[in-house]
Parts: sequence; structure tokens; C-alpha cells
Amino acid sequence: DTAVSQTPKYLVTQMGNDKSIKCEQNLGHDTMYWYKQDSKKFLKIMFSYNNKELIINETVPNRFSPKSPDKAHLNLHINSLELGDSAVYFCATGGGTEAFFGQGTRLTVV
Amino acid sequence: EDQVTQSPEALRLQEGESSSLNCSYTVSGLRGLFWYRQDPGKGPEFLFTLYSAGEEKEKERLKATLTKKESFLHITAPKPEDSATYLCAVQAGGGYNKLIFGAGTRLAVHP
Repeated sequence: DTAVSQTPKYLVTQMGNDKSIKCEQNLGHDTMYWYKQDSKKFLKIMFSYNNKELIINETVPNRFSPKSPDKAHLNLHINSLELGDSAVYFCATGGGTEAFFGQGTRLTVV
Repeated sequence: EDQVTQSPEALRLQEGESSSLNCSYTVSGLRGLFWYRQDPGKGPEFLFTLYSAGEEKEKERLKATLTKKESFLHITAPKPEDSATYLCAVQAGGGYNKLIFGAGTRLAVHP
């Protein structure tokens, strides 16, 4: 039973399209995150939600909009996709100080 | 600005050849330092959390230590299955729980 699950695992799309990535956790944690890992493997935080409320927004372009319908879900919607958005996006959840990560979604914009 | 630097960028070891990975950090009010392992195509897998200088934690062939400026991940008698990227991250004060990651060390252990 996967603790943090993301869908889809791979996403290939054209520039200008709008796409969503879904994330669900069954650990009962209050906090969920989106991280982006670029081609150099650098992991950087994008957003943090605590109990469905936005806590951190690391100056991410407003084409990226997270949505948390409930404590167990944090989805990421991206409008007008650009080539530079190609990366691996990780959802994570944390109950205290540590974070548990999903398997990642590899987004390729062509 | 909070920052994490890992070295070396890549490390190649023979099976059984012990070594150490370094993570140096600059952070305002360290709440915790974390080590993760990441295999290709997978998400980071939690290994250790260290909270204060002098603390040490062990798991199988891995041992993590922490000083006021850096952390080391010691790998004793590594095996090929220890090959992965090892990521270090810090959590700063401020109450937001975000992790600031280093670029990682790619470890390859050859038989």
C-alpha cells in the first residue's frame, strides 16, 4: 500500500497545453508539498500546504496552481506549459520534521 | 541565505572500500539535517534525521554524523546495492518545515 502516490508517472505534452498531476497520501499527515527536480537533480520546494491551507509558495510562476481538496490530496495544475517546465515533480508529505516522497512525475514538454 | 553543499559530486568505490560523503550547510537556526537515498526513477527515500551537533545515527552499513557546520555519511564496506544518489537536506527555523536540498552525491559501488 503506497504511502504517497502520484499520477501519472510520465507525462509528455506540447507547449501551451494545460495539465494536472495528482497526489494522494494515506499517512494521515497534515502537511503536503510539491518539489521540482531539474535536469541537474536539484530538488527544490515549490509549495507547502498544511491542512488544506497554502503555507509556502516559493515564487513559482502563477501558471502553477496547487489545489488541496482535502488533507489527503494535493494536486498540481499547470497552465500554458513551457519547455522549461520539463522536470520531475515530486509530491511529499510530512508529519513532523521529515518528509516522505512519492515516486515522481516526469513531465516532458515538447 | 540557507545553503547546502555536498561533496564529492560523484564517487566510485570498489566493493568493501569504505568512504565518507560530506554535506556542509549554512542555515539560520537548524531544526534538523536529513539524509535521503534516491535510486534512478524513484523518489527520495528517508534514511536519517540529525538534530544537534555530536549526534550520530546508524543503519546497516551507513552512519551519519553531525557537527555545527557539516554532516558526514560514512559508508562501511559498501556493496553494489548501496549504489544510489545520496541527498542531504536541512530544515531551517521559521516553522514552515520546508527542506533545502544539496545537489547530491552519486555513489557507484563496483564488485
